[in-house]
Amino acid sequence: LAKTTQPISMDSYEGQEVNITCSHNNIATNDYITWYQQFPSQGPRFIIQGYKTKVTNEVASLFIPADRKSSTLSLPRVSLSDTAVYYCLVGDMNRGSTLGRLYFGRGTQLTVWP
Amino acid sequence: GAVVSQHPSRVICKSGTSVKIECRSLDFQATTMFWYRQFPKQSLMLMATSNEGSKATYEQGVEKDKFLINHASLTLSTLTVTSAHPEDSSFYICSARVQGNVGEETQYFGPGTRLLVL
Repeated sequence: LAKTTQPISMDSYEGQEVNITCSHNNIATNDYITWYQQFPSQGPRFIIQGYKTKVTNEVASLFIPADRKSSTLSLPRVSLSDTAVYYCLVGDMNRGSTLGRLYFGRGTQLTVWP
Repeated sequence: GAVVSQHPSRVICKSGTSVKIECRSLDFQATTMFWYRQFPKQSLMLMATSNEGSKATYEQGVEKDKFLINHASLTLSTLTVTSAHPEDSSFYICSARVQGNVGEETQYFGPGTRLLVL
């Protein structure tokens, strides 16, 4: 069962910053937070993963408050090609963990308009 | 990121036949792989965890005799849909965990296999 809650859909315009918030009130101590992007008829593509505070890579930033009960994926200056479904997942991603199964929720359909 | 491949990308078969789908980790070794299924307009559903050298662990409600999983090497897991029926038509996606630099692992997904059973 998915352990996260996200908005079902969001709309934005090209060039804007998009923030998608995910709730995970029952996150466990060993759980990491991972975000994926999925286009139709493709496998999910890894975006970013974090445990606490802030993580940034070349495509996105992930903000995690101290209580870790939520997280926000920030996509800077989105383009039309960022239209996709975005999934937030939590799971034990510690090395060698046998509990690291990821259960997908419904995700957030982001639509970027010109 | 790590690369996971699947073969075939799409397959059409007759009802009652068996279909094998391969999942490969191309540039890393994966002791654990996962198989998901996704129906149109729905999210991914975890079917089973594939463990190299041991039996797969199936999620509740997934028939292990219908969805045979073999993980014979550190780079290959196979899913065989036995006696396929039209209701098995779906998008099958595999994934594998990769060790990171700090201590955590990351799960990467394959491109998926579209199965159509006539």
